Amino acid sequence: AAGVIQSPRHLIKEKRETATLKCYPIPRHDTVYWYQQGPGQDPQFLISFYEKMQSDKGSIPDRFSAQQFSDYHSELNMSSLELGDSALYFCASRARTQGYYEQYFGPGTRLTVT
Amino acid sequence: GQQLNQSPQSMFIQEGEDVSMNCTSSSIFNTWLWYKQEPGEGPVLLIALYKAGELTSNGRLTAQFGITRKDSFLNISASIPSDVGIYFCAGQQVRGSTLGRLYFGRGTQLTVWP
Repeated sequence: AAGVIQSPRHLIKEKRETATLKCYPIPRHDTVYWYQQGPGQDPQFLISFYEKMQSDKGSIPDRFSAQQFSDYHSELNMSSLELGDSALYFCASRARTQGYYEQYFGPGTRLTVT
Repeated sequence: GQQLNQSPQSMFIQEGEDVSMNCTSSSIFNTWLWYKQEPGEGPVLLIALYKAGELTSNGRLTAQFGITRKDSFLNISASIPSDVGIYFCAGQQVRGSTLGRLYFGRGTQLTVWP
């Protein structure tokens, strides 16, 4: 079965640079969630999109922005990167319109800021 | 934000033993989900629970949705070495402003000795 695809899998950036993370949800899934997981931590919700509209916002810094496109893929844009942004970033997708609550996670993007 | 208390934090068991872990919250959730995460990978959904009191099995895994809707437990029977990983509980509220976002427990690190 198709899974959530994230790219790139690994990303190394310097402080104050920008980064773009991409997420391709499972086919026919209309909702995308972004989570950040620091070392030894549990995933923390950042932001979500349903049918290309922002549906919920968590502890996402103002330096970050995200959007969902017409093909339902999503991008997380991160600017003015800080050392503390180093983490695993996960995207999860859900078939909300079909009435499902389960979220399926991608393999993640490991971002290292030096 | 919501705080989920997951215990134990870690477990070291011998192959063949049964394992039990639980999650409690001060808030009511409409859905409880259990995930397993291996190093550097995304969380993999194991079991989803939708109704208070519900008991659901997936192979050697059994999970229950507490009747107060504030807790859940996961049992693994006859553990095997490939059960090694971090197990996360996650609660979800399907109404209100935090629609759909997952709140995670801190995880239970499971180590299985052959």
